[in-house]
Amino acid sequence: GQNIDQPTEMTATEGAIVQINCTYQTSGFNGLFWYQQHAGEAPTFLSYNVLDGLEEKGRFSSFLSRSKGYSYLLLKELQMKDSASYLCAVRDRGYSTLTFGKGTMLLVSP
Amino acid sequence: EAGVTQFPSHSVIEKGQTVTLRCDPISGHDNLYWYRRVMGKEIKFLLHFVKESKQDESGMPNNRFLAERTGGTYSTLKVQPAELEDSGVYFCASSDRMNEKLFFGSGTQLSVL
Repeated sequence: GQNIDQPTEMTATEGAIVQINCTYQTSGFNGLFWYQQHAGEAPTFLSYNVLDGLEEKGRFSSFLSRSKGYSYLLLKELQMKDSASYLCAVRDRGYSTLTFGKGTMLLVSP
Repeated sequence: EAGVTQFPSHSVIEKGQTVTLRCDPISGHDNLYWYRRVMGKEIKFLLHFVKESKQDESGMPNNRFLAERTGGTYSTLKVQPAELEDSGVYFCASSDRMNEKLFFGSGTQLSVL
């Protein structure tokens, strides 16, 4: 079966760094995605990892270890607007569909 | 460039009624997906169109759900008759032929009373 785990909630302070972890067990693997979703809005694409290692994009970085079934999203220099739900999703090999985790609600406080 | 648009944003209906949700993908995107999030659960895949053809409909819950994409442009998702457990947020997403990044719409919040 498919299983994607991520923490339900996290809190952090403005200006700090936070790491959101995601572990997955899927029948296949063809890439891992991170999406950000503000309440009532569309999930927006943050990052895509298909090979092991770290992908950096501005204040956001994403890491993947395929052998461990593990990824994390790193957010630096946190801003209040980063308060949102962060969704980890895996694309199975041979399929174009995504399997999502339940999302991590991040609250950034002043 | 316009993003993925969905209509309506909210729909409240009674059990047994019919509701039709619409999705307009990003222009030129061949791939169109429907996903659903039931309260407290993760976003789950419903089905995938490539142009006007259903590529994968393994996530459709039952035959009360009918999705169409005539002409390979916009898509509709009809629920008939609606049941209480159909309540949730229905997301549409589209992607181009490279298929790496899915662009999501804001979703339709469906409440069945």
